Amino acid sequence: EAGVAQSPRYKIIEKRQSVAFWCNPISGHATLYWYQQILGQGPKLLIQFQNNGVVDDSQLPKDRFSAERLKGVDSTLKIQPAKLEDSAVYLCASSPGLAGVNTGELFFGEGSRLTVL
Amino acid sequence: GQQVMQIPQYQHVQEGEDFTTYCNSSTTLSNIQWYKQRPGGHPVFLIQLVKSGEVKKQKRLTFQFGEAKKNSSLHITATQTTDVGTYFCSCSRGTYKYIFGTGTRLKVLA
Repeated sequence: EAGVAQSPRYKIIEKRQSVAFWCNPISGHATLYWYQQILGQGPKLLIQFQNNGVVDDSQLPKDRFSAERLKGVDSTLKIQPAKLEDSAVYLCASSPGLAGVNTGELFFGEGSRLTVL
Repeated sequence: GQQVMQIPQYQHVQEGEDFTTYCNSSTTLSNIQWYKQRPGGHPVFLIQLVKSGEVKKQKRLTFQFGEAKKNSSLHITATQTTDVGTYFCSCSRGTYKYIFGTGTRLKVLA
């Protein structure tokens, strides 16, 4: 079974530029998450989707971050304009959600490492 | 918002020594999960605990959920170099929403 796919793996941009990350969850998983992990810290939830609807985006800095999951499958996370403090690994995760049996496990992708100069 | 604190933040042990990390919440948890993240890798699920006082074992790893469901621990017996990484607890808050702890970074000296 294919895992969670993310791209790009690495991205270096200058502050005030824009960047987009893409995630394809495990097939059939209804719930998709974007986490931000700053070096040395735990993953911080940015946004949670159930199918194509937003369940929670309370921690998403909406003045610069946006995310969508238009068809309830893959998702994009965009940052515009980027700031130095956005340097982090952006982790996408998925789980069956309401579509199946949940064991509490989130399946993570390899992450997209962003460096803002 | 709900915070989940882990102690210690770092732990260096000699290979063969035991290791324990603790996860503490200010509120009662419905369940708790544990993850391991290798350096440069992504979090990998280890286990979920749901019952008060629950104890589960996976080879050299022992997981425990407190009686009051406000704390949990992960104990590794006789650490090996393959145990190196950061161990995170997480808890659900709302419908399939998971909040991660601060993590404990384990270094094993050969």
